[in-house]
Amino acid sequence: GAVVSQHPSWVICKSGTSVKIECRSLDFQATTMFWYRQFPKQSLMLMATSNEGSKATYEQGVEKDKFLINHASLTLSTLTVTSAHPEDSSFYICSATRTGTYNEQFFGPGTRLTVL
Amino acid sequence: QKEVEQDPGPLSVPEGAIVSLNCTYSNSAFQYFMWYRQYSRKGPELLMYTYSSGNKEDGRFTAQVDKSSKYISLFIRDSQPSDSATYLCAMSRIKAAGNKLTFGGGTRVLVKP
Repeated sequence: GAVVSQHPSWVICKSGTSVKIECRSLDFQATTMFWYRQFPKQSLMLMATSNEGSKATYEQGVEKDKFLINHASLTLSTLTVTSAHPEDSSFYICSATRTGTYNEQFFGPGTRLTVL
Repeated sequence: QKEVEQDPGPLSVPEGAIVSLNCTYSNSAFQYFMWYRQYSRKGPELLMYTYSSGNKEDGRFTAQVDKSSKYISLFIRDSQPSDSATYLCAMSRIKAAGNKLTFGGGTRVLVKP
């Protein structure tokens, strides 16, 4: 149990376009989902915390208008990178915690974004 | 100073050896401790979850927490080449589902056949 999927697994786009990444909890309901960014050989950098039905909470330094997060249901959160630029190229990973008093985060497989 | 410190490695061991990993932390409020394994270009996988001080064993993995020293450890017995990965420690103050985790920087482990 506790499987999280992400789609797409990798995406290449042109500079200036927008890209949407989906994060789904497949076998559990997730009240909270988290979005991370990871650069090569570095640890996870939390971008935002997403709660179902409410606005996401962004970490300091993360542009809300650039990284749009929507958590429309208990099993789906989306991250849209708007007007992507080459510096947005990175590995984006989501995680989810099960509804209730559980703080273990279960991670998706990640999405590699390359902006040309 | 980072809240959670973890040696980046790489830690190279021969197959069959015991892998010893650790993290130190500064915030005494942390009560929940986790170890994740991350293979290259994959998402982290939860290995161990412990609460407060003590030991927990699961197969070849043993997690130890010493809150008095603010030090946690993960031991991997009979290491295999498939254990080669980056190991991340993570910790949390409270058990709420929406609570953020604080991660260490990760230790890269290489198990040589």
